[in-house]
Amino acid sequence: SQQGEEDPQALSIQEGENATMNCSYKTSINNLQWYRQNSGRGLVHLILIRSNEREKHSGRLRVTLDTSKKSSSLLITASRAADTASYFCATDARLGNYGGSQGNLIFGKGTKLSVKP
Amino acid sequence: KAGVTQTPRYLIKTRGQQVTLSCSPISGHRSVSWYQQTPGQGLQFLFEYFSETQRNKGNFPGRFSGRQFSNSRSEMNVSTLELGDSALYLCASSRDTLAKNIQYFGAGTRLSVL
Repeated sequence: SQQGEEDPQALSIQEGENATMNCSYKTSINNLQWYRQNSGRGLVHLILIRSNEREKHSGRLRVTLDTSKKSSSLLITASRAADTASYFCATDARLGNYGGSQGNLIFGKGTKLSVKP
Repeated sequence: KAGVTQTPRYLIKTRGQQVTLSCSPISGHRSVSWYQQTPGQGLQFLFEYFSETQRNKGNFPGRFSGRQFSNSRSEMNVSTLELGDSALYLCASSRDTLAKNIQYFGAGTRLSVL
């Protein structure tokens, strides 16, 4: 079953602008990850944020996590045409009260980002 | 280090046939997961194998099965194909899903069922 829901479903911006994508999920998590997929190919891991972290940076990427609202956001700054892709959040759901992983990631339906040169 | 390799890249089958897809994980990765991706349902988890044992399973009918070999390579099989099985099938490997669960994906096998 789908856990994450991304918002918006599609986003079109100009090169140089920032892109913000949001993700909501339903259950307790160990971590939340963001992946990128270029046109029908495999997914590439971008960044992981643990449940006890609130913000994380990697290059032009900034991820925030609000476990009280069960939501996360991915910000891509100074976007480039090469950033055009679909972006997915994925949750590593917590197993029971003592941590551990259910062993599979649960993906949202993704945000399709188009960056126009 | 070589990435995750999936073969074949494209397949065309007809209803009622069966199909076998193959996945070679990154060297040293013992966990292999399979996902089905369709425009309507998105990415859905099929199953995960670790050390030749199915450790986790998604909500798919018994027509979908898999296995993992001692060298961590994995295959998935779909029997009695239906039109709705047309999808991109993605394999992902991980060093240890119970620890950090970062998954490395192959390019996928695109299955078309006619």
